[in-house]
Amino acid sequence: DQQVKQNSPSLSVQEGRISILNCDYTNSMFDYFLWYKKYPAEGPTFLISISSIKDKNEDGRFTVFLNKSAKHLSLHIVPSQPGDSAVYFCAAASGGNMLTFGGGTRLMVKP
Amino acid sequence: GAGVSQSPRYKVAKRGQDVALRCDPISGHVSPFWYQQALGQGPEFLTYFQNEAQLDKSGLPSDRFFAERPEGSVSTLKIQRTQQEDSAVYLCASSARTGHGYTFGSGTRLTVV
Repeated sequence: DQQVKQNSPSLSVQEGRISILNCDYTNSMFDYFLWYKKYPAEGPTFLISISSIKDKNEDGRFTVFLNKSAKHLSLHIVPSQPGDSAVYFCAAASGGNMLTFGGGTRLMVKP
Repeated sequence: GAGVSQSPRYKVAKRGQDVALRCDPISGHVSPFWYQQALGQGPEFLTYFQNEAQLDKSGLPSDRFFAERPEGSVSTLKIQRTQQEDSAVYLCASSARTGHGYTFGSGTRLTVV
């Protein structure tokens, strides 16, 4: 039973445009959500997070939106850059312990 | 150290061989976590420690897997009698305090042949 799902395995975007990566979850006990970026042969790198008491968090070009009623979160990257090309994982936690990850979305930003 | 250090980076094991994977978390961090990432999938939780105590090992897939952290710093994930399905990248993450700021190491890619 996948508690965190990323339904798009890949996404291709033109440089300068917006990238929107989506994530759905089923466990209503999740109270903390994170996005990680992963390059080949490296570990995931933390990007941005959001607590369930908020519906938006912004950090530079990255914004995470949380819709608790729909159990949906999204990551917006504006403007997208070729260096953003990587696999993006959303993750969720309950009570501050282990993370449950989605399957990842490979983002390709074309110059 | 500045980051989470894992060794070896790559390990090839013959089926049935025992392996030990090492994680050196960030100095002062209290919670090393272990995750297993199969090809094309997201990381899956295995186990975690708070200081020397192993607080949750519910993700360990079989009794061939066990982890330890005897002196509260370096953690070791041991897999006995490796099987082909154990082939994956094993990631270690540490946190200054439980629930926030997880930093991952580069992982150990285990290939069982």
